[in-house]
Amino acid sequence: GQQVMQIPQYQHVQEGEDFTTYCNSSTTLSNIQWYKQRPGGHPVFLIQLVKSGEVKKQKRLTFQFGEAKKNSSLHITATQTTDVGTYFCAGPPRETSGSRLTFGEGTQLTVNP
Amino acid sequence: DGGITQSPKYLFRKEGQNVTLSCEQNLNHDAMYWYRQDPGQGLRLIYYSQIVNDFQKGDIAEGYSVSREKKESFPLTVTSAQKNPTAFYLCASSISYGAYGYTFGSGTRLTVV
Repeated sequence: GQQVMQIPQYQHVQEGEDFTTYCNSSTTLSNIQWYKQRPGGHPVFLIQLVKSGEVKKQKRLTFQFGEAKKNSSLHITATQTTDVGTYFCAGPPRETSGSRLTFGEGTQLTVNP
Repeated sequence: DGGITQSPKYLFRKEGQNVTLSCEQNLNHDAMYWYRQDPGQGLRLIYYSQIVNDFQKGDIAEGYSVSREKKESFPLTVTSAQKNPTAFYLCASSISYGAYGYTFGSGTRLTVV
């Protein structure tokens, strides 16, 4: 079955440093979605990427979808304490567009002030 | 405001008892999902429903059951057959099956003693 892997599993940074998490799927994806879960909270949808090579920005967050639509990355510039949480990628397989999402195991980000 | 309501937030049950977790949404979403999250891990799909009166097993359906008699409601029953039921349970919905970002409820933390 489809597998979605994320690295690193944990990342500790000093406030102001940059942060990147990578997502790799075993199958081609029709789209990739990113979610953020604050400690003790629930996942919140951040963004969806659909096109091969697509890049989207949300303030200090930059999201990329790979050319082959099998990988993605989330980059945060100049982290702040409000960025603390676990970031998940998720996607449905391309051949079954619209099917259920498979989530990666997430990257847990801690930011030291 | 539209959203997903999960209740209760915390639930304690004795081993061998069935327990039902509530999930109600007023977003007029067709699709609903149940995920399980264990500490430090990703989200695993238990059951999903594309439309009212229809549902399918996810990756870890054994020991769980659901119903979808109303569009707004998708309750999950954790039966005594579930060998390790203590976990954080998240309900989610989407406009259509998998094509858009999920909206998650705030979750129910189930502890079985």
